[in-house]
Amino acid sequence: ETGVTQTPRHLVMGMTNKKSLKCEQHLGHNAMYWYKQSAKKPLELMFVYNFKEQTENNSVPSRFSPECPNSSHLFLHLHTLQPEDSALYLCASSQNREGPDTQYFGPGTRLTVL
Amino acid sequence: GQNIDQPTEMTATEGAIVQINCTYQTSGFNGLFWYQQHAGEAPTFLSYNVLDGLEEKGRFSSFLSRSKGYSYLLLKELQMKDSASYLCAVMDSNYQLIWGAGTKLIIKP
Repeated sequence: ETGVTQTPRHLVMGMTNKKSLKCEQHLGHNAMYWYKQSAKKPLELMFVYNFKEQTENNSVPSRFSPECPNSSHLFLHLHTLQPEDSALYLCASSQNREGPDTQYFGPGTRLTVL
Repeated sequence: GQNIDQPTEMTATEGAIVQINCTYQTSGFNGLFWYQQHAGEAPTFLSYNVLDGLEEKGRFSSFLSRSKGYSYLLLKELQMKDSASYLCAVMDSNYQLIWGAGTKLIIKP
């Protein structure tokens, strides 16, 4: 595997379910990001991790819970979501958090909340 | 506040040239990025500009004017596979990317 991978690619869940999104980067980067992409809207930064430590939480509701066990893996745990949370969730990584480093993206998880 | 503006949608003809504009107002500036995103796929990096001027990379070129808060992406010899969304993003003083909503480019034969 190369680059940034995400699983699952598609997810349909009810509002009472609990699920997790997984991201893995094979680039040797130190920073990882979760973004939300809704139709015709700019990417919204959700969380940032640098060397496994969370450095930013952009006022994301607590029903989204990130986890970063090491610099290569990032999870987004989901519980009691709302229909408006339906979107494409993108993971990205960059060499470092501080610096004009290019972010490389995974293919995303298309989430539908019923 | 911080703001990135780019057209919502553009249409062009195969073989032609198209210019996608991006204007920005941000807290600080550490460079401007262009990404390409095909439907259902990951955004992929196209270019990075931090100094004024034109950067050419094959059929794609990107221009930056910091004094005007303006950039454009120029695509030459358009191919059907260039049909995609093009995302403009500015890195602010905290090295956070501020994103535009993207420009959907439709290529017609």
